[in-house]
Amino acid sequence: GQQLNQSPQSMFIQEGEDVSMNCTSSSIFNTWLWYKQDPGEGPVLLIALYKAGELTSNGRLTAQFGITRKDSFLNISASIPSDVGIYFCAGQLAGTYKYIFGTGTRLKVLA
Amino acid sequence: KAGVTQTPRYLIKTRGQQVTLSCSPISGHRSVSWYQQTPGQGLQFLFEYFSETQRNKGNFPGRFSGRQFSNSRSEMNVSTLELGDSALYLCASSPEGILSAGGYEQYFGPGTRLTVT
Repeated sequence: GQQLNQSPQSMFIQEGEDVSMNCTSSSIFNTWLWYKQDPGEGPVLLIALYKAGELTSNGRLTAQFGITRKDSFLNISASIPSDVGIYFCAGQLAGTYKYIFGTGTRLKVLA
Repeated sequence: KAGVTQTPRYLIKTRGQQVTLSCSPISGHRSVSWYQQTPGQGLQFLFEYFSETQRNKGNFPGRFSGRQFSNSRSEMNVSTLELGDSALYLCASSPEGILSAGGYEQYFGPGTRLTVT
C-alpha cells in the first residue's frame, strides 16, 4: 500500500528537549494531519493543516505545511514523559478524499 | 460531543470464519473511513463511505467489504478470515467536506483488535 516517508523512525530523548519529525512524498497533498497514538488506542488528532506554508501550533506542538505541498513537519518543544507514543502524519492526496499515512515516529522520553 | 465508537473492542475468530465490525461516527459526520493497522504494514486504507455510498476503496481483496446506513453508522465485514487479517481495525469519521476547499479532518475511534487463530 501507499505510505509517506516519515522520519525519524524512532527517537530517544531527554525530558525537556525539543523534537522534530517530518513526512515527505513525491505526491501533492491538500491537507496534512498529525496524530499521536498510544498503545492499543486509536490515533488522536493533534494538528490539521490546510494551506501550503501554513504554520499551526497546539500548545507545545507546532506543525507546518510544506510550501511545495509535498511535505510537513512537526515540532514538540520541551518534551515531557507523557509525550511518549507514536506520531503519524497523514496527507490527503490532491483531488481525492483519500488519506495516506506515514510509517510513524516512535518517541521515547527519558526522565 | 461523543467521539467515534467502535464495537467490539476485541475479537478472536478462527480461520475461515467471517466477522462484522461496527462504527458509529461523531454526530453530524457523514464520512466514515476504515483502516487496517499492523506492525509490518502500518495504517492501510480500506474504504470510505459518504452518504451510504462507497466513495473510495483501497487495495484489499473482495473479502473485505463495508456498508453505511442512513444514520451514518458503518459496518465492515471480512469473510473467510485468514491469519494475516489479524490487526487493529480503525474507523475514522469526518464532517462533510468540500473537495475543492482542500480537505477535512478525520477523527479515529479506539479500534477493534481482531485476532485470527
